[in-house]
Amino acid sequence: KAGVTQTPRYLIKTRGQQVTLSCSPISGHRSVSWYQQTPGQGLQFLFEYFSETQRNKGNFPGRFSGRQFSNSRSEMNVSTLELGDSALYLCASSFRPRSNSPLHFGNGTRLTVT
Amino acid sequence: DQQVKQNSPSLSVQEGRISILNCDYTNSMFDYFLWYKKYPAEGPTFLISISSIKDKNEDGRFTVFLNKSAKHLSLHIVPSQPGDSAVYFCAASARGDSNYQLIWGAGTKLIIKP
Repeated sequence: KAGVTQTPRYLIKTRGQQVTLSCSPISGHRSVSWYQQTPGQGLQFLFEYFSETQRNKGNFPGRFSGRQFSNSRSEMNVSTLELGDSALYLCASSFRPRSNSPLHFGNGTRLTVT
Repeated sequence: DQQVKQNSPSLSVQEGRISILNCDYTNSMFDYFLWYKKYPAEGPTFLISISSIKDKNEDGRFTVFLNKSAKHLSLHIVPSQPGDSAVYFCAASARGDSNYQLIWGAGTKLIIKP
């Protein structure tokens, strides 16, 4: 069974640009969550999607957005990039939200904003 | 306001000895706790969880203890092995919360010395 796949693995962008990250969940998983990880800050929740609907959203500005497709694949977009957006972006999938089954993470996309 | 705190950024333990990683939380509504392990360049992987109705959960070399009155949980690894060297995150959730999300600690880097 393939794991969670995130593309691309690495990305370098310039301030002001926009970026789209992609996540393919484990087959059969319909819930996808996105996290931002920065050194010393742990994982900060961005948003969660289930059945193509955003179910929950963290405390990030509107420049961060996402969507989920009918095949459960998800994308997140960051517009007007800032230096502080440099981070590891992790996607996680599970069967459904609020379940006892743990999240399965991809290996992340390392975004560097210069 | 950090609701989940891992106060030790790093911990060094001799191979074969016990590793104890600590986590404190402030929200008394949290009722489900998880530990994840993360190697460099990989996403976090689920290790062990505990519900608030229990005070201990064991899985092989890994045991998680929960002290609800102290709002404290700990992960014990016995015996510690070189492959245990990684960053460990604790996470907590309040499953009855309408704004359900996992709240993560900042992580503790565990180094197992040969």
